[in-house]
Amino acid sequence: NAGVTQTPKFRVLKTGQSMTLLCAQDMNHEYMYWYRQDPGMGLRLIHYSVGEGTTAKGEVPDGYNVSRLKKQNFLLGLESAAPSQTSVYFCASSYPVLTDTQYFGPGTRLTVL
Amino acid sequence: AQSVTQPDIHITVSEGASLELRCNYSYGATPYLFWYVQSPGQGLQLLLKYFSGDTLVQGIKGFEAEFKRSQSSFNLRKPSVHWSDAAEYFCVRGAAGNKLTFGGGTRVLVKP
Repeated sequence: NAGVTQTPKFRVLKTGQSMTLLCAQDMNHEYMYWYRQDPGMGLRLIHYSVGEGTTAKGEVPDGYNVSRLKKQNFLLGLESAAPSQTSVYFCASSYPVLTDTQYFGPGTRLTVL
Repeated sequence: AQSVTQPDIHITVSEGASLELRCNYSYGATPYLFWYVQSPGQGLQLLLKYFSGDTLVQGIKGFEAEFKRSQSSFNLRKPSVHWSDAAEYFCVRGAAGNKLTFGGGTRVLVKP
């Protein structure tokens, strides 16, 4: 039982390049989330999904797109990377109960030059 | 908009001493509150959560937190800190749709 995994762990991009971050979970969770973590700001929600084929915007969605074609996977895309997107990105998943725990992946450190 | 404030950015504590991390949340209906811990280079792990009932909540690793509605606070405590408790701690508020609002975090350093 791997929990929540993220690929890749590290990445360096040049401004304007594109990339996709992959999140996978093996706990059969309905809900999945993408966050970014910046110093002093905690984690902020980028996009989330309440089920296969659905996505919704979070607090800071601009410059990102997501897709949830399979229940176990949640993809985060950057179409044209900007230095402001340098951050650590975390994926999480949970059951659809507010009091339930969100399980987090180990994170992806992205640097945009 | 709901917000969560952690007034202390850094706290340094000696090993074996007690620890208290402060958290205040903005006014609203009965809040769903969590404390998560992030060890260096790691993801986040849930320490404890509160959504109703007893206002003193016990968590993992010897941590507890007390919900005080009158003070809009949910402070985290541990009676005796271990070197392995050095980490960043986040107070988090839950809202409809399972969306979480994070505080800015408190980084705890443990002196030998």
